[in-house]
Amino acid sequence: SQQGEEDPQALSIQEGENATMNCSYKTSINNLQWYRQNSGRGLVHLILIRSNEREKHSGRLRVTLDTSKKSSSLLITASRAADTASYFCATAFYNQGGKLIFGQGTELSVKP
Amino acid sequence: SQTIHQWPATLVQPVGSPLSLECTVEGTSNPNLYWYRQAAGRGLQLLFYSVGIGQISSEVPQNLSASRPQDRQFILSSKKLLLSDSGFYLCAWTELPGQPQHFGDGTRLSIL
Repeated sequence: SQQGEEDPQALSIQEGENATMNCSYKTSINNLQWYRQNSGRGLVHLILIRSNEREKHSGRLRVTLDTSKKSSSLLITASRAADTASYFCATAFYNQGGKLIFGQGTELSVKP
Repeated sequence: SQTIHQWPATLVQPVGSPLSLECTVEGTSNPNLYWYRQAAGRGLQLLFYSVGIGQISSEVPQNLSASRPQDRQFILSSKKLLLSDSGFYLCAWTELPGQPQHFGDGTRLSIL
């Protein structure tokens, strides 16, 4: 079953603009992770935020987590054409083999 | 360094035929292993996970099965494929439950 819902489903922006993607989930989590998928390829891990953290940065990425609202957001600043990809949030459960439950993803298109 | 291999990259099979997809991980021991399926334009659905040799947990009842005959080998099988088994199959591993997962490049399976 799918845990998360992401919005928007698709996002088209110009190079240099910021891109914000949102993720909501339903149950308590241990951590939340964001992944990127280029067309036809496997997923690549971007960033992990623990349930007791509120914000995390990695390069041009900024992730927030609000456990009271069961939501997270991923901000990509100063986007580049190479950022064009699908982005997925995933919630992690340590006591169930560490399984991840993925959202439906946001398809980001960055136009040069 | 650790690597994950999935094969084949693409596969076209007739309805009712058997299936065997293989995934191997190198450079680590006792990884947690996962099989996911991704329908076109959708998020990932967890099919099976394994925390050790011979230990398989099934997430979705269906005509697929998984086995882990060796520490770093994970196999996805079916005795008789259905049209609904079409999709993009991804294998992933992690060292510790709940930590970022590392994905293979996937197998595109088409059922005719």
